[in-house]
Amino acid sequence: RKEVEQDPGPFNVPEGATVAFNCTYSNSASQSFFWYRQDCRKEPKLLMSVYSSGNEDGRFTAQLNRASQYISLLIRDSKLSDSATYLCVVIQSGGSYIPTFGRGTSLIVHP
Amino acid sequence: NAGVTQTPKFQVLKTGQSMTLQCAQDMNHNSMYWYRQDPGMGLRLIYYSASEGTTDKGEVPNGYNVSRLNKREFSLRLESAAPSQTSVYFCATGQHSSNQPQHFGDGTRLSIL
Repeated sequence: RKEVEQDPGPFNVPEGATVAFNCTYSNSASQSFFWYRQDCRKEPKLLMSVYSSGNEDGRFTAQLNRASQYISLLIRDSKLSDSATYLCVVIQSGGSYIPTFGRGTSLIVHP
Repeated sequence: NAGVTQTPKFQVLKTGQSMTLQCAQDMNHNSMYWYRQDPGMGLRLIYYSASEGTTDKGEVPNGYNVSRLNKREFSLRLESAAPSQTSVYFCATGQHSSNQPQHFGDGTRLSIL
């Protein structure tokens, strides 16, 4: 089983829709979690960190469920410009601090 | 991306040629990383340098070497390029701690014929 798993999609949604992605991780020692956004042929860019209590940044909400070992990203009122691939990243505690990237979930927002 | 600069942006090589990819950062981060990204494979770590003077292998180090020249610069070398090394290469920087995200350069697109 891969350490960090994401549904590759694509998720095809109309403008204004609410869409959610999950990302599961296998190592319970995982410490830190992030969502990145990657546009076609561009570098990954940090979208937001994921905090234990959940956090929101405008239309984006990230949540962590340690018991079930997954993180989620909710996008409300989708815009055409939200079309991208969303990568989840997990960093384990214990010294190595090497981030593990999921393969990404593709989102397509259409008019 | 003023923080992490990669050169070149594009390169075409013939099998067996050598090449060095350069990465420089002005973010004063301790750690630097080299990834490759292939369709359907996601980002895979090639080598990383947790701090100046140290380098370690990642998930896919075979066929590559690295040099951490100073705090700012981390280069990736292909000694004898192979078609399987055709990929997009990303350099990233960070603080190598459990709660710090990475910042990426805009990538080098490398094709090996």
